[in-house]
Amino acid sequence: GQQLNQSPQSMFIQEGEDVSMNCTSSSIFNTWLWYKQDPGEGPVLLIALYKAGELTSNGRLTAQFGITRKDSFLNISASIPSDVGIYFCAGLAPGSARQLTFGSGTQLTVLP
Amino acid sequence: DGGITQSPKYLFRKEGQNVTLSCEQNLNHDAMYWYRQDPGQGLRLIYYSQIVNDFQKGDIAEGYSVSREKKESFPLTVTSAQKNPTAFYLCASNRDRVGYGYTFGSGTRLTVV
Repeated sequence: GQQLNQSPQSMFIQEGEDVSMNCTSSSIFNTWLWYKQDPGEGPVLLIALYKAGELTSNGRLTAQFGITRKDSFLNISASIPSDVGIYFCAGLAPGSARQLTFGSGTQLTVLP
Repeated sequence: DGGITQSPKYLFRKEGQNVTLSCEQNLNHDAMYWYRQDPGQGLRLIYYSQIVNDFQKGDIAEGYSVSREKKESFPLTVTSAQKNPTAFYLCASNRDRVGYGYTFGSGTRLTVV
């Protein structure tokens, strides 16, 4: 089946720094989603992208649907302590009905 | 407010026992999913159901069973055949055919003692 390669696997940054993470695939996706998971909780949807080239913001978060439809990026500006958690990308491939493919996650730690 | 409720939050199981994890949603979603998450790992699909009385195996279905007798409920049984059941289990649901994002429950942490 499809696979998503998410990087980096983990990040340690200082409070106030900007963060970038990405997901790539060898096959195309029709939808890209970014989730955040707090410790001991379920993932929560941050941003959804539905068109190639689409750039969408949600507060300090910005995500882009790659023009090739095989990648997506998430940027977090001016990080704060509550940004700590695991960030997952997810994609919906053509013909996959409603079944998402998830990346392996990026563990973000924000140092004071 | 609508959402997905997983219970219990923490569950302890003795080796050789079956346990059932509950997942209930009041979002009127057709599709429901069970995922397993191990420390530092991504989400692995166990089972999913797109309609009542129908379900399909995911990538790691061995040692697990499900039922979907009601639209609102999708319980997961971890059987004694699952050799390494200690993990965080997440239930999710999805609204329609277009593939909008899943809504997740808050998870159940299962520990074998």
